[in-house]
Order: sequence, then structure tokens, then C-alpha cells
Amino acid sequence: GNSVTQMEGPVTLSEEAFLTINCTYTATGYPSLFWYVQYPGEGLQLLLKATKADDKGSNKGFEATYRKETTSFHLEKGSVQVSDSAVYFCALRWSSASKIIFGSGTRLSIRP
Amino acid sequence: GAGVSQSPSNKVTEKGKDVELRCDPISGHTALYWYRQSLGQGLEFLIYFQGNSAPDKSGLPSDRFSAERTGGSVSTLTIQRTQQEDSAVYLCASSPILADTQYFGPGTRLTVL
Repeated sequence: GNSVTQMEGPVTLSEEAFLTINCTYTATGYPSLFWYVQYPGEGLQLLLKATKADDKGSNKGFEATYRKETTSFHLEKGSVQVSDSAVYFCALRWSSASKIIFGSGTRLSIRP
Repeated sequence: GAGVSQSPSNKVTEKGKDVELRCDPISGHTALYWYRQSLGQGLEFLIYFQGNSAPDKSGLPSDRFSAERTGGSVSTLTIQRTQQEDSAVYLCASSPILADTQYFGPGTRLTVL
């Protein structure tokens, strides 16, 4: 079946460190891929997305590239800030107006 | 504009009671989704509405769970005879038809004692 696997947390980094959160998926065909973020005390927000192979999604300094050959969508940021502390969810969706399948989430904590 | 709203924000109930959770989607969004976020299960899909009909109910965990949507707008998720394992945050999302982005509400935290 379709699934999303992401690296387990928690991940703790110092401010200005480089961030990678790994995400791989299992699916047939070409789903759309997403990263959602949940800041403390807030609801889920879409961070970035990519809808086809080799697309790069980017937002707020975060990037992820849709890699069909490795079925991956790793999240990266060159220099993290304390305000990036949150839970990050990798997700996929088959088509417009269909359910999202989420990974288990990765909690990120950034030390000043 | 206004986002997705959910009520109540918190609900504490006793085991065996029925609860109703409400979702107000973004105006004009035809698709509406319910998800559940719990410690042991992560984020899981429950049900999806297109207009007032539910093409996909595959995620409802048991027949104690039901949902309806009226007027293509507000949706209510009902849990009958609540159990402790129903304790979770229930999230609602909406999207325009034929769009990738789902917009999530703040959730309702349900605690079953």
C-alpha cells in the first residue's frame, strides 16, 4: 500500500546548523508530495509541496526535491533558527480532492 | 480571510457518552476532510466529503464514528459511546475542488475519561 516513512525524532540542532529530515515514500505512479509543519500550540500548515518528479518545493528557507528514482522528498534548510522548532510531517496525496497520507512526524528542536 | 474553524477546541467527556465535533470550512471550499492525530497512531485519515456526499469513509475506525455535512458547508463528526482510545486531536481540513492544498483547522482535543 501507499505509505510515507520519515526519520524519527527528536532532532536537536544548534542555531545556524544545517538541517536534513529524510522522507521516503512507497507508492505506484506519481503522487504529489508535501511537507507540513506544526508549530507549538498551532494547527498544521503546509510548508512546501512538489507535484511531479524533479520539482523542488521551497518556502521560508526550506527546500525539498521530488526524487522519483529514490522515492524520496528530503527536507533541507541551510541555517536553522530557534523559530523553526516544530514537528514536521512528510505526506503524499494521490490526486486533487483525495486524502493525505502522513508520515509519523519529526520533532525538531533548535538550541540558541 | 477566515480559515477553517473547529469547535469546541477542547472536549472532556466520560466513557460511554456521545460527542459531536464541528468543522466550519473555508467559504467556497467544496472538499472537507477529517483526520485524527493521536500519540500511538500519528495522523490518520478518517473521512472525506465532496459537497454533502462522502466518497471515502475508509478511515472511520468503527461504526461508532459517523459524520455528515449539510449545505456543502459545516460538517459534524459524531462519536457514539466514546472509549478511552478515542482520545486524540481531531483535525478538519478543507480545499477547493481540484486543488492540492488542504487547509487545516486548529483541531478539537478530545479526552475520554
